[in-house]
Amino acid sequence: QQQVKQSPQSLIVQKGGISIINCAYENTAFDYFPWYQQFPGKGPALLIAIRPDVSEKKEGRFTISFNKSAKQFSLHIMDSQPGDSATYFCAASRGAGTALIFGKGTTLSVSS
Amino acid sequence: NAGVTQTPKFRILKIGQSMTLQCTQDMNHNYMYWYRQDPGMGLKLIYYSVGAGITDKGEVPNGYNVSRSTTEDFPLRLELAAPSQTSVYFCASSYNGEDDGYTFGSGTRLTVV
Repeated sequence: QQQVKQSPQSLIVQKGGISIINCAYENTAFDYFPWYQQFPGKGPALLIAIRPDVSEKKEGRFTISFNKSAKQFSLHIMDSQPGDSATYFCAASRGAGTALIFGKGTTLSVSS
Repeated sequence: NAGVTQTPKFRILKIGQSMTLQCTQDMNHNYMYWYRQDPGMGLKLIYYSVGAGITDKGEVPNGYNVSRSTTEDFPLRLELAAPSQTSVYFCASSYNGEDDGYTFGSGTRLTVV
């Protein structure tokens, strides 16, 4: 049973374009939804996170949109750059005493 | 600060051998985690710990064991290695389990032949 479903599996975007990655979840007990970025040969690193009490959070070129009723959230990367080429993971957790459940990841390639 | 340190970085095991993947953090984090990453499958939680002396199973604990005798160290033990355990293993730590994010190590690439 996949608790966090992520799509697409891979994405190619032109420099300056918008990258959009989507995630869906089933467990309504989830209350924390982060996105992680991973470069080849490195461990993932926290990019941005959101809680269900807000519908959108923006940090620089990165925005999370959250739809509680649809149980979906997405990552938008504005003005995508070649340096954004990486694997992106959405995740969810039920509280501080639990652990993150990750999606399968999206490999983003930004062409120059 | 070194952050989260994992050793070894690479290892080749024969079927049936055992080994311990080491993980240590110097950030005084309460929470520690072990994940495995397989191509196209994301990160799967093996075990986690919310403090010294406390461990709990994740999604894929079979074939693994952990212990947490100190705040700093969270070793992962593989008994009777199998080809299905070929993977990249990541250790992570967190102060409060959520808002401060997880700090990941650089991973251990394990091949079982």
